[in-house]
Amino acid sequence: GAVVSQHPSWVICKSGTSVKIECRSLDFQATTMFWYRQFPKQSLMLMATSNEGSKATYEQGVEKDKFLINHASLTLSTLTVTSAHPEDSSFYICSAKSSAGSGGSYEQYFGPGTRLTVT
Amino acid sequence: DQQVKQNSPSLSVQEGRISILNCDYTNSMFDYFLWYKKYPAEGPTFLISISSIKDKNEDGRFTVFLNKSAKHLSLHIVPSQPGDSAVYFCAASFFNTPLVFGKGTRLSVIA
Repeated sequence: GAVVSQHPSWVICKSGTSVKIECRSLDFQATTMFWYRQFPKQSLMLMATSNEGSKATYEQGVEKDKFLINHASLTLSTLTVTSAHPEDSSFYICSAKSSAGSGGSYEQYFGPGTRLTVT
Repeated sequence: DQQVKQNSPSLSVQEGRISILNCDYTNSMFDYFLWYKKYPAEGPTFLISISSIKDKNEDGRFTVFLNKSAKHLSLHIVPSQPGDSAVYFCAASFFNTPLVFGKGTRLSVIA
């Protein structure tokens, strides 16, 4: 099946610093990538939808100036958490939707996630 | 307003028996439903899906049933194995919009 990678898998940073998380589709082209956040014992919450070559669409309540998303190519999207605070500590997961027909246009392939801890 | 609900946060089943995970939705526009399995500290992995034009889809030990009139779907795992222990998320979509997830059900398969 399609593979999506994330880097780093975990990161610890100090409050006030910025952290960049990369999401790559390894064996397919993804015109659309999604960024989710998961709090403990809660569902995946969609943060933003990222389309290659255009600005990301953010969900209500998500600060676009704090969570910068760049979808620079068909295989790479990045999420930068700027001026991180302890409340930003969470598990961030990206997913990618294939631009090809196989696999169905509804299916998303998820990355392994990045655990961010802000001290 | 939760459009996709998984009302059972946890479920315990003995190895070899059937596991039934339930999911309800409120948005009648949803036309595609998926189940994902998630282990701790890992991303979700796709398990099985069903289109609204079907009422059943089977893949090995996994079967998903869809009851459109009741806006209900269920995932059956038989026989259940210890390796099936994970959190299962139900998700729904329509017109290629982002997936909407339920809160998940933690399945524990006891040997």
